[in-house]
Amino acid sequence: QQQVKQSPQSLIVQKGGISIINCAYENTAFDYFPWYQQFPGKGPALLIAIRPDVSEKKEGRFTISFNKSAKQFSLHIMDSQPGDSATYFCAAVATGNQFYFGTGTSLTVIP
Amino acid sequence: NAGVMQNPRHLVRRRGQEARLRCSPMKGHSHVYWYRQLPEEGLKFMVYLQKENIIDESGMPKERFSAEFPKEGPSILRIQQVVRGDSAAYFCASSPGLSGNTIYFGEGSWLTVV
Repeated sequence: QQQVKQSPQSLIVQKGGISIINCAYENTAFDYFPWYQQFPGKGPALLIAIRPDVSEKKEGRFTISFNKSAKQFSLHIMDSQPGDSATYFCAAVATGNQFYFGTGTSLTVIP
Repeated sequence: NAGVMQNPRHLVRRRGQEARLRCSPMKGHSHVYWYRQLPEEGLKFMVYLQKENIIDESGMPKERFSAEFPKEGPSILRIQQVVRGDSAAYFCASSPGLSGNTIYFGEGSWLTVV
């Protein structure tokens, strides 16, 4: 059973465009929602994270939008660049530090 | 400040051999996670350990796979009698163990079974 559903599986965006990746969850016990970025041949690296007491968090070109009532959260990459081409994973964390990852989104930014 | 260190980075084993993957967590981290990633797939949780204790092994295959995190030394993921289907990238991550803290991944160990 997939605790966190992530979409789309793959995404192609023009340079300068907005990339949007969505995640949904069911378990209301989740209280921490990080996003990870993974380049080929590398380990996932923390990109940005949010807690459910805020609806939005922005760090540079990366923004997380969080909708607690809908149990959904999304990553927005503004002014997407070719260097953003990577696989992105959302995650949800429950008490006890159990991490549940989405299935990943492969982002390609076309110059 | 050293990150999560995994070795070997690449490992080739023949079918039936044993594979041992090692993970040294970040300094100050007492909790270790192991994940498996197949080509073009996501991160599959395997096991979550604290020093000398397995917290959650619900993602571990019932046979051939084992993990430990001793009081001294790195965490070890052991795969006995490897088969071709074990070929994957194995990622270790660590955390301080406090609820809500994120986890930090190593660079992975790529296992190829020939």
